[in-house]
Amino acid sequence: DAKTTQPNSMESNEEEPVHLPCNHSTISGTDYIHWYRQLPSQGPEYVIHGLTSNVNNRMASLAIAEDRKSSTLILHRATLRDAAVYYCILRDVIPNFGNEKLTFGTGTRLTIIP
Amino acid sequence: NAGVTQTPKFRILKIGQSMTLQCTQDMNHNYMYWYRQDPGMGLKLIYYSVGAGITDKGEVPNGYNVSRSTTEDFPLRLELAAPSQTSVYFCASSMTGNEQFFGPGTRLTVL
Repeated sequence: DAKTTQPNSMESNEEEPVHLPCNHSTISGTDYIHWYRQLPSQGPEYVIHGLTSNVNNRMASLAIAEDRKSSTLILHRATLRDAAVYYCILRDVIPNFGNEKLTFGTGTRLTIIP
Repeated sequence: NAGVTQTPKFRILKIGQSMTLQCTQDMNHNYMYWYRQDPGMGLKLIYYSVGAGITDKGEVPNGYNVSRSTTEDFPLRLELAAPSQTSVYFCASSMTGNEQFFGPGTRLTVL
């Protein structure tokens, strides 16, 4: 399976943008890049996903490098509620029974400083 | 919509006991998943299903069984509980596999 590498932890000030990096140098052409986050004592929550082009939604933006070997999740204006563990995950866009999985690493623990 | 619901929220088992963790979703999703999360770790996939009557093993299936007789329900069965199965269990569902919706989790302790 293609793997991802993320920093263990990051800090950011409240109301400032946050850029969470993810390296995936062995990504294949059919891998989608997914981001989930997990708030304390809760189940993971979907944030965003993309394949090649940058993506935006109400929660965040996903910037994907041209060679797709890295990506960055951007929180435009961090709030205290954004403090969570953020997971960058690869999933094959052409699932074949036996490839239906999201492999969660240990993620990046984001701390927001008031 | 209630989304994904899991019962019970907490449970303590003795070694060798069995139990079923219940998971129900009301979003008519085809895909359903069971994950476990050990302290300080990411989630690991136990079993998944792409539709009623179809299930397959994930990364850590040993000691568990599943069934999917309806679209809504995906119970996880532990037959002979062991201390290594102490964990938080999350159920998730998805229409396409891309955006997964997770339940609140079941915290299981095996003593």
